[in-house]
Amino acid sequence: GESVGLHLPTLSVQEGDNSIINCAYSNSASDYFIWYKQESGKGPQFIIDIRSNMDKRQGQRVTVLLNKTVKHLSLQIAATQPGDSAVYFCAENTGTGRRALTFGSGTRLQVQP
Amino acid sequence: ETGVTQTPRHLVMGMTNKKSLKCEQHLGHNAMYWYKQSAKKPLELMFVYSLEERVENNSVPSRFSPECPNSSHLFLHLHTLQPEDSALYLCASSQVGTGGDGYTFGSGTRLTVV
Repeated sequence: GESVGLHLPTLSVQEGDNSIINCAYSNSASDYFIWYKQESGKGPQFIIDIRSNMDKRQGQRVTVLLNKTVKHLSLQIAATQPGDSAVYFCAENTGTGRRALTFGSGTRLQVQP
Repeated sequence: ETGVTQTPRHLVMGMTNKKSLKCEQHLGHNAMYWYKQSAKKPLELMFVYSLEERVENNSVPSRFSPECPNSSHLFLHLHTLQPEDSALYLCASSQVGTGGDGYTFGSGTRLTVV
């Protein structure tokens, strides 16, 4: 399931540090945003979502921030663990009602022990 | 079985072959999707089926032919493919209209065209 051959931006962090992954989205009319995690050999897994009427949402060890003014989304992972190593994608819903998501190009997170 | 299941996991086919990819979802969702993930474009939407009706065909070549016989099953029929079609093909499902939690993806089929 890895994005073989892609030249992805890579974020390398030490185990235990906090990670911040950024994403710029394209459509100012998008009203729903999701972060996905894709580990090697697997399909993307849902992490956390946020609607456009919010600017922050927290989950377990993860926080998503939305800045609609600059069309920017970020994913913060607290106390990063080796199991967090993966490619992370943001996605936006640009089609009202039908939930056809548009994905960003992804960021590879490498956690150093 | 739970979630979204794709078969086969790996497929190698010649350019003159005909093969099919299968996707099955056990989540009671009402929409299913095919995405292509390759070295050039990470996640490209190919087809959308909502309530078993194809509602989107994202300019995909006719050598890819989807089929959605019911809300739980989705197929992608392949014929006379090109080497550049080698990629990971991902199926996903969602529940449209409930403001739910986005897609659930399968693990994908890694396709190699030789």
